[in-house]
Amino acid sequence: QVQLQQSGAELAKPGTSVKLSCKASGYTFTSYYIYWVKQRPGQGLEWIGYIYPGNGGTYYSEKFKGKATFTADTSSSTAYMLLGSLTPEDSAYYFCARLRAGTNVMDAWGQGASVTVSS
Amino acid sequence: EIVLTQSPTTMAASPGEKVTLTCRASSSVSYMHWYQQRSGTSPKLWIYETSKLASGVPNRFSGSGSGTSYSLTINSMETEDAATYYCQQGSSYPWTFGGGTKLELK
Repeated sequence: QVQLQQSGAELAKPGTSVKLSCKASGYTFTSYYIYWVKQRPGQGLEWIGYIYPGNGGTYYSEKFKGKATFTADTSSSTAYMLLGSLTPEDSAYYFCARLRAGTNVMDAWGQGASVTVSS
Repeated sequence: EIVLTQSPTTMAASPGEKVTLTCRASSSVSYMHWYQQRSGTSPKLWIYETSKLASGVPNRFSGSGSGTSYSLTINSMETEDAATYYCQQGSSYPWTFGGGTKLELK
């Protein structure tokens, strides 16, 4: 079945970067968009943007331009999100999700990765 | 950016009770989608394109609406329905989510 397996929790210092991974299985990785979503503790969901592994095309929400960078490795069916210049406001759970073909909904989600930014 | 406002923010319902959650958009959208999130887990697609139930979703759930006003209805509340529900629009970028409605069991 479709699965998105995310990397583990990260503890990082302000000003540094973390790279989160999202390994896909159970479907053709290059045929589906991967979206990234942020959720701060006890708060709602925030859409970051997407990557299309088939051609590497990306789109970022204005708020996350310069903060997030998406890449994909088709040989390992893994999507990545690099978060740079970390501040405490970046402390959150980050989810990857697959776009359902032909729609604009996310039909499969990773388990989430926790990022904590603290000195 | 389209802002989605969900109401109520929190509510409690008794088993068997009918529940209606609403989502209002700041501009007209073509469809609304809904996700369910239980505590400590990732969101699950619940209702898509306003009224289509995702795989495995019980048919006591339904969705309706158009333009700027949408709703999710539970015909008869069950224990397992206690969760937070988020609406999401994909009509224009950036995609946005509502703030969520936390549904508790009374």
